Amino acid sequence: GQNIDQPTEMTATEGAIVQINCTYQTSGFNGLFWYQQHAGEAPTFLSYNVLDGLEEKGRFSSFLSRSKGYSYLLLKELQMKDSASYLCAVTGGSQGNLIFGKGTKLSVKP
Amino acid sequence: DGGITQSPKYLFRKEGQNVTLSCEQNLNHDAMYWYRQDPGQGLRLIYYSQIVNDFQKGDIAEGYSVSREKKESFPLTVTSAQKNPTAFYLCASSGPRRYSNQPQHFGDGTRLSIL
Repeated sequence: GQNIDQPTEMTATEGAIVQINCTYQTSGFNGLFWYQQHAGEAPTFLSYNVLDGLEEKGRFSSFLSRSKGYSYLLLKELQMKDSASYLCAVTGGSQGNLIFGKGTKLSVKP
Repeated sequence: DGGITQSPKYLFRKEGQNVTLSCEQNLNHDAMYWYRQDPGQGLRLIYYSQIVNDFQKGDIAEGYSVSREKKESFPLTVTSAQKNPTAFYLCASSGPRRYSNQPQHFGDGTRLSIL
């Protein structure tokens, strides 16, 4: 079967660094996406990893270890506007569809 | 600007009624998707379409129907057979599915409630 696990909620302080973890089990892995979703809004694409290692994009970085079925999203220099849910999604399975985790709700405090 | 437009933003359904949610994209994307999002749940795939006049069931297709008569449009009908339709519905599109690195772009969603 396919399964994605992420923490339900996290809290961090403005200006700090936070790491959101995602573990997954899937057949036919074809890549991992991170999305940001503000409450009541559309998810927006943050990053894509298919090879092991770290992808850096401004304040956000994403890491993947395929052998461990593990990824994390690293957010640096946190801002209040980073308060949102962060969705981990994996492409795989027989149909190659995108399977989403339940999301991690991040609250950034002053 | 290119994007995905969903309408209406809010929709109310009466018992026994079918309702249709609109999704239009001008990104020239081949693939389109419908997801359902419930509180505390991940996005779940209802239907997807890789090309005009073709669509496939996702994980929770029962009680829903779709059509793909035009590349730009992928409407979703929530039928009376869907007994628990209250949810946030998201439409997405992407480049060809054979390229696995294609991110999906989402519309702003339709919130459906039962009257």
